[in-house]
Amino acid sequence: QQQVKQSPQSLIVQKGGISIINCAYENTAFDYFPWYQQFPGKGPALLIAIRPDVSEKKEGRFTISFNKSAKQFSLHIMDSQPGDSATYFCAAPGGSGTYKYIFGTGTRLKVLA
Amino acid sequence: SQTIHQWPATLVQPVGSPLSLECTVEGTSNPNLYWYRQAAGRGLQLLFYSVGIGQISSEVPQNLSASRPQDRQFILSSKKLLLSDSGFYLCAFGRDEQFFGPGTRLTVL
Repeated sequence: QQQVKQSPQSLIVQKGGISIINCAYENTAFDYFPWYQQFPGKGPALLIAIRPDVSEKKEGRFTISFNKSAKQFSLHIMDSQPGDSATYFCAAPGGSGTYKYIFGTGTRLKVLA
Repeated sequence: SQTIHQWPATLVQPVGSPLSLECTVEGTSNPNLYWYRQAAGRGLQLLFYSVGIGQISSEVPQNLSASRPQDRQFILSSKKLLLSDSGFYLCAFGRDEQFFGPGTRLTVL
C-alpha cells in the first residue's frame, strides 16, 4: 500500500517564526497535492494545494514547495501566529482514476505567543 | 454554495449495538463521496468511497459498510459495533479538492 511520510510529528515555533512541514510520497495516479488544517474536534479544512506543473505556490503566509523528481513537497508557514496552532495533514493521490488520497500522519503545530 | 452535513455529532454506543451515520451534501450534483476514520492523534484512513448512487468501494475490510441511496446521501453502518470502531468519522465530497464535514465522534463502550 502506498504511503505518505510526513515529518515532523510535532512542531513548536515562536510567534513570527517559520513553520516547515515535509511530506514524501510514492507513485501517484494524478497530480494534485493538498494540505489540510484541522483544529481539535473539527473536520479538516483545505488550506492550500498545488499541481506539480509549478514548483511553488504561495497564498498569503502559506507556501507549498514541490520537488517532483524527489517526490517531496513541503508546507511553509511564514510569520507563524498562535491561531495557526493546529494539526496539518498533507495528502498525495493514490489509486487510479478515483480521486482517492493517501494522507500523511499529521503534524501538530503549536505557535507560542 | 456547497455544504456538507453529518450527524450525529457525538455518539456513545455499547459493544454489539448497530450503527448508522449519515452524511448529506448540498449545492453539488453527482459528487464523489468518502468516509474516513481518524483515530485519536492519527491520520485519516479512507474507509469507503462512492462515485455514484449504489456504487461503493471498500478500502479496508472491517466491521463497517456504506450505502449511497441518493445522489447526495452517504450512510455508514454497522450491524454490531466493536470496541475498535471507536474514532472520529469524517465524510467528505469532491474530486481533487475534497471538502470534509464536521465529523462524528463515536465511542464504543
